[in-house]
Order: sequence, then structure tokens, then C-alpha cells
Amino acid sequence: DAKTTQPPSMDCAEGRAANLPCNHSTISGNEYVYWYRQIHSQGPQYIIHGLKNNETNEMASLIITEDRKSSTLILPHATLRDTAVYYCIVSRSGNTGKLIFGQGTTLQVKP
Amino acid sequence: GAVVSQHPSWVICKSGTSVKIECRSLDFQATTMFWYRQFPKQSLMLMATSNEGSKATYEQGVEKDKFLINHASLTLSTLTVTSAHPEDSSFYICSARSSSQSTDTQYFGPGTRLTVL
Repeated sequence: DAKTTQPPSMDCAEGRAANLPCNHSTISGNEYVYWYRQIHSQGPQYIIHGLKNNETNEMASLIITEDRKSSTLILPHATLRDTAVYYCIVSRSGNTGKLIFGQGTTLQVKP
Repeated sequence: GAVVSQHPSWVICKSGTSVKIECRSLDFQATTMFWYRQFPKQSLMLMATSNEGSKATYEQGVEKDKFLINHASLTLSTLTVTSAHPEDSSFYICSARSSSQSTDTQYFGPGTRLTVL
């Protein structure tokens, strides 16, 4: 599975959009981009995933570049409860389904 | 939907004893479950992949005789830490992948904090 690179930390003002980047330059054609977040001392929470097209759900939007080498997770109106470690993971579809977690980005939402 | 539970949420045990952790998918069937371990200030580390009705597949460096995994039904997987030692103290997290999905979306349990004295 392709490796991802994320900034170790980011700050965001409460109420503003949080844009979290992820680089996955070695992604292959059948690999999806997944985003999870982990609030302190809890299990990771699924946010969103995509293959080629941009995706949006009630939590966030996922923007994938045309060459699929990078993506951005957008939290449109960050709240203090969005403070967490955000993980971008690339995984090949199929029966194995393993998710390999990197170090992620620690997002601190400030009042 | 897609709720995964773990029991217990925390456990303290004496060195040398065994501890069993349960992982249940509450509202979906999971042919595949995964077990992770997380040490303080570190990321999640995949320990093993558990498939219903078959033997678990362990990641490199994970002792299969120490971390016994059973996946006897489509909604339950268990992890038993045998002869636990203080270095096994960690946050253990399971996840489940729906058997009806074509992608690899996993849903995670809340985790179990194990402290070995």
C-alpha cells in the first residue's frame, strides 16, 4: 500500500474551515484514500473515503487532485470537538482491507 | 449504524495472568476484524487480521502464541493476552469490516486499556 505524508500538526480557529493536506504520490489505481480521526483515548472514527472523485458527507469533504497524488480533508466549520489526530490512509481495495496508520496530523481547534 | 463495541473498556491484571478482550459488531456482520495496539503518544499498530472461521493472520513481530485471536462468529472476535507482562500494557483497539461492503472501510471499537502490574 502507498505511503502517506501529513504535516505533524495544524491549528485552526473555531468556526473556520480546517484544511488538512495529505500527500500520497505513490498511490496506485485501485487504492482508496481514507480519512479517520482519533480523539484522545478513543478508538478512531471513520470520516470519509474516496477513489477519484471528490466526496462530501455530513462530517467533511474530501478533495482528491486529478493525478490522485494528494488530497485535502476539509472540515467546513471546525469546532473545539474536532480537536483530534487525523489520519490519511491509502488502502488497496480487496479482501485484505488492512489499514496501516501513520503518525497523522494533530489538529488543534482554538477558540 | 456501524457500531463496534469492546469489553472491557479497561482492565488491570497481575503479571503472568491472561486477559480476554471482546470485540463485537453490533449492527452489521463482519467477516473480517482487526486488532491494533497503541502505546502512549504513538500511532496505531496493526497486530493481526481475524477472519471468521479461520486462523488469524499476524503482522510481523507479533507473537501468535501470546496474542490469541478467535473469530468464532460474524459479530464477535476475541483477543487473549496470555501470560501478560508489564510491557503488554497498552491500548488495544479492534475494528470490523462489513461483509457487505466492497471497500475497506473499517469501524473501530472504543478501545480497551490494559494495565499489567
